[in-house]
Amino acid sequence: AQSVSQHNHHVILSEAASLELGCNYSYGGTVNLFWYVQYPGQHLQLLLKYFSGDPLVKGIKGFEAEFIKSKFSFNLRKPSVQWSDTAEYFCAASGNTGKLIFGQGTTLQVKP
Amino acid sequence: GAGVSQTPSNKVTEKGKYVELRCDPISGHTALYWYRQSLGQGPEFLIYFQGTGAADDSGLPNDRFFAVRPEGSVSTLKIQRTERGDSAVYLCASSLRAGGGRTDTQYFGPGTRLTVL
Repeated sequence: AQSVSQHNHHVILSEAASLELGCNYSYGGTVNLFWYVQYPGQHLQLLLKYFSGDPLVKGIKGFEAEFIKSKFSFNLRKPSVQWSDTAEYFCAASGNTGKLIFGQGTTLQVKP
Repeated sequence: GAGVSQTPSNKVTEKGKYVELRCDPISGHTALYWYRQSLGQGPEFLIYFQGTGAADDSGLPNDRFFAVRPEGSVSTLKIQRTERGDSAVYLCASSLRAGGGRTDTQYFGPGTRLTVL
């Protein structure tokens, strides 16, 4: 069965700390991988996506993610978080129809 | 241009009632998706349309749920005989196509929060 799991449900960091959010997927066939973010009071928006090619993907606002096929992982990273990064982060996977399978989300709280 | 819009933003109804939730996709987007997000969970796929036809409705939980997109633009999600377990945020997304390709990013609307009393 297709599934996405996120290891951390709630992460608290101080500003300038480094961030890594874990994501593992189980998906048969070609897989596309995404990280979406939902800031408080706003709707889901795309941070970055991986389809093929370079496994290190750079997104908006200094975020990046690395696709490691052997580990079925797509972890999200940022070297130095800001208070404005406080949000909920969702990892998702899709195949050739675009239908997204989401993880349960990670709430990130950044303390100023 | 305008993003995906959803109406109403909030809907409170009583158990057993019928509700309709509307989604206006981004102009020119042929693919439209519905998801449901329960508290503390990630969005869960319900159905998607390519044009006017439902290409995959495998996520609809039961036959009380139905969705239409008669002219290939606006879509309506219909829930009959609502139950308390239907309470959730219903999200709509659209993309240029449904191929899942590099350019087919899904853009999400703000959602409709449905509460069934």
